[in-house]
Amino acid sequence: DAGITQSPRHKVTETGTPVTLRCHQTENHRYMYWYRQDPGHGLRLIHYSYGVKDTDKGEVSDGYSVSRSKTEDFLLTLESATSSQTSVYFCAIRDRNTDTQYFGPGTRLTVL
Amino acid sequence: KNQVEQSPQSLIILEGKNCTLQCNYTVSPFSNLRWYKQDTGRGPVSLTIMTFSENTKSNGRYTATLDADTKQSSLHITASQLSDSASYICVVSSASGAGSYQLTFGKGTKLSVIP
Repeated sequence: DAGITQSPRHKVTETGTPVTLRCHQTENHRYMYWYRQDPGHGLRLIHYSYGVKDTDKGEVSDGYSVSRSKTEDFLLTLESATSSQTSVYFCAIRDRNTDTQYFGPGTRLTVL
Repeated sequence: KNQVEQSPQSLIILEGKNCTLQCNYTVSPFSNLRWYKQDTGRGPVSLTIMTFSENTKSNGRYTATLDADTKQSSLHITASQLSDSASYICVVSSASGAGSYQLTFGKGTKLSVIP
């Protein structure tokens, strides 16, 4: 699992509340990613980071923000959760030596 | 727009049988193609990676092929086991000399192996 943990693993929240998901890595990788996975869709990139305080948008970034104040932590925030953000969220790191993305175990988020 | 199409969408096979999953892509510029296995409730795990010059890559009972001319890849599973039940995702990487890097994901093939 390349030393990637995600927290929480499951969360149920109500529409309009803020939610923050955390991704933690132990191997000092520069690149980190947040994806969402929904039935009928492939994994879709939300945001990514290429270093501390360096982030950029993916294809489905509306309604999400991210922060990376330390190499090991990448946070995904839903400022005001909506039911359309009910999904499974995966964090990933990229090992540039092998050009491989390693994924975390996922967070299942339900917005009621 | 870069796209990756996988077929079939789902597949049920008997334990011990072989199967082949397909992936067609339109990604440019092409860097490499990877197959991931995703068990239910888990994150995807890389099985194989192939670059433009590679035709075949094996990982145990998994053999991936790549035809860069027709932009097709297949994943062949030999002597299937119950533990092979999972979704298999084809992922194509695109990287330009300018440093841009993009992954295009297929929607996956859900394989069920039954006793």
